[in-house]
Amino acid sequence: RKEVEQDPGPFNVPEGATVAFNCTYSNSASQSFFWYRQDCRKEPKLLMSVYSSGNEDGRFTAQLNRASQYISLLIRDSKLSDSATYLCVVRVFGNEKLTFGTGTRLTIIP
Amino acid sequence: NAGVTQTPKFQVLKTGQSMTLQCAQDMNHEYMSWYRQDPGMGLRLIHYSVGAGITDQGEVPNGYNVSRSTTEDFPLRLLSAAPSQTSVYFCASGPPIRDPLTEAFFGQGTRLTVV
Repeated sequence: RKEVEQDPGPFNVPEGATVAFNCTYSNSASQSFFWYRQDCRKEPKLLMSVYSSGNEDGRFTAQLNRASQYISLLIRDSKLSDSATYLCVVRVFGNEKLTFGTGTRLTIIP
Repeated sequence: NAGVTQTPKFQVLKTGQSMTLQCAQDMNHEYMSWYRQDPGMGLRLIHYSVGAGITDQGEVPNGYNVSRSTTEDFPLRLLSAAPSQTSVYFCASGPPIRDPLTEAFFGQGTRLTVV
């Protein structure tokens, strides 16, 4: 079983719709959680860190469920510019390494 | 305001050749790492370093060497290139060890083809 698992998609979503991704992790010692965004042929960039109580940044909401070991990302009122691959990233307590999911590809359709 | 500088952007090698991918950061991060990204595989950790003089293996270290003589620089060496090393390589700096919820910064990537 992979340490971090994501639905690869692709998700093809009309502009203005709401879309949600889930990501599951296998190591219960995981401490830090992130969503990174990667545009085609570009480097990954941090979209948002995920806090225990859940957090929101504009149209983006991230939630953490430690009991079920998953994190989610919700994008509201999707824009064409949201088209990208979204990477779920996990860091284990006491370990500096980041573990990446394979990514979920999102395409927003006009 | 360079952040992470990774060179070269593109490289074609013949099987058996060696080369060094350069990575430099100006954020004084202790933690640096190298990943390769292949279709359907996500980013896989090759080697990482928690400070000058300290390196360790990641998930896929075979065929690669690293060194960390300074905080700023973390080069990745391919010893004898093989077609299986055709990939996109990313260098990353951070997150800071004592601030785990902050950002890791990536270089622009190197597209390597081994023929």
